[in-house]
Amino acid sequence: DGGITQSPKYLFRKEGQNVTLSCEQNLNHDAMYWYRQDPGQGLRLIYYSQIVNDFQKGDIAEGYSVSREKKESFPLTVTSAQKNPTAFYLCASSMDRGTEAFFGQGTRLTVV
Amino acid sequence: QQQVKQSPQSLIVQKGGISIINCAYENTAFDYFPWYQQFPGKGPALLIAIRPDVSEKKEGRFTISFNKSAKQFSLHIMDSQPGDSATYFCAASGRAGGTSYGKLTFGQGTILTVHP
Repeated sequence: DGGITQSPKYLFRKEGQNVTLSCEQNLNHDAMYWYRQDPGQGLRLIYYSQIVNDFQKGDIAEGYSVSREKKESFPLTVTSAQKNPTAFYLCASSMDRGTEAFFGQGTRLTVV
Repeated sequence: QQQVKQSPQSLIVQKGGISIINCAYENTAFDYFPWYQQFPGKGPALLIAIRPDVSEKKEGRFTISFNKSAKQFSLHIMDSQPGDSATYFCAASGRAGGTSYGKLTFGQGTILTVHP
């Protein structure tokens, strides 16, 4: 059963804490992406990675960090520097850039 | 900078009617235009996509119309059903070699409600 798995589904964070969102794919895709979704807005690109050990900032990378040590995994860390982290976070992958992107089910992060 | 503008924000249609959602883009380097469907609490799923070498693409009840000169594209849902009630996003990304290659830029989304 191939797909993208994001965990956890819900996450609560205290102000000032870093938190890491997991994204794993078994589609053998090279490219992976992180998007942020806020109510009434479209998805905005945080980071993307074309290959292992390489990643690029998207449009709203400030306060976030990523790593790509394995092809299957692309974790996102929301740092304390992100001033408004409460949002729905979506991970996606594609065979390569410019082809169909498949999305995970998302992680809803709430700062308490 | 909002490079893809989507309208309307919300749309209510009767069962059996036609739903039409419009998008306009600014970046002439865009050459891939997908539409995504998202149900509450779920990730978006690709519905249909088009490239600018054709003006229309149809898959079942879903049709994309593309106007390259006007930099506009639209989604038409024929015979709309209550199960089509969801949020729809248009998106665009650029050709290989460009800065927007593989990076989807999304519209703001349209909440579609189909009444029985």
